Amino acid sequence: KAGVTQTPRYLIKTRGQQVTLSCSPISGHRSVSWYQQTPGQGLQFLFEYFSETQRNKGNFPGRFSGRQFSNSRSEMNVSTLELGDSALYLCASSSGQVREEQFFGPGTRLTVL
Amino acid sequence: AQSVTQPDIHITVSEGASLELRCNYSYGATPYLFWYVQSPGQGLQLLLKYFSGDTLVQGIKGFEAEFKRSQSSFNLRKPSVHWSDAAEYFCAVGVQGGYQKVTFGTGTKLQVIP
Repeated sequence: KAGVTQTPRYLIKTRGQQVTLSCSPISGHRSVSWYQQTPGQGLQFLFEYFSETQRNKGNFPGRFSGRQFSNSRSEMNVSTLELGDSALYLCASSSGQVREEQFFGPGTRLTVL
Repeated sequence: AQSVTQPDIHITVSEGASLELRCNYSYGATPYLFWYVQSPGQGLQLLLKYFSGDTLVQGIKGFEAEFKRSQSSFNLRKPSVHWSDAAEYFCAVGVQGGYQKVTFGTGTKLQVIP
């Protein structure tokens, strides 16, 4: 079974630009969660999508948005990038129940200059 | 809302020595508890999880963790550390009956010296 894939793996953007990150979950998984990882902050939950619906949302500004397609693939968009958005963005897929293991992708490293 | 504290940012142990990584959580009811490991350049991998029942949980790679309700702790242990265990370890808590929303601690970076 193929794992969770994230594209691109690395991105360099400048302040004010926008960016779209993509995540393909494990086949059969309907839940995709997104996390921002920065040194000292650990993983901070952005949002979770299940069957194309956002079920949970973390405490991030509206510049961070996402969506999920009918094939469960998910995209995350960040508009008007700020220097503080530089981070590793991780995507995780699961069956959708909290007791089930989340499978993480390798992440997208975003650098904002 | 639930929260997780990992008081040790960085730990160094000698290869072959025992290991204990601390995790304290805050949640009103019995939580779901997880330990994940992240190797450099990799995503996170689940080591073990606790939902209910036996408070001593066995995981992969020889790790175990003990849930102590009275101390709100879920410490990770390994009797003998291998150099390949060098990584960052994350404790996480989830809400029973909730959707897939898990709160992670800030992580403990483990260094193993020969």
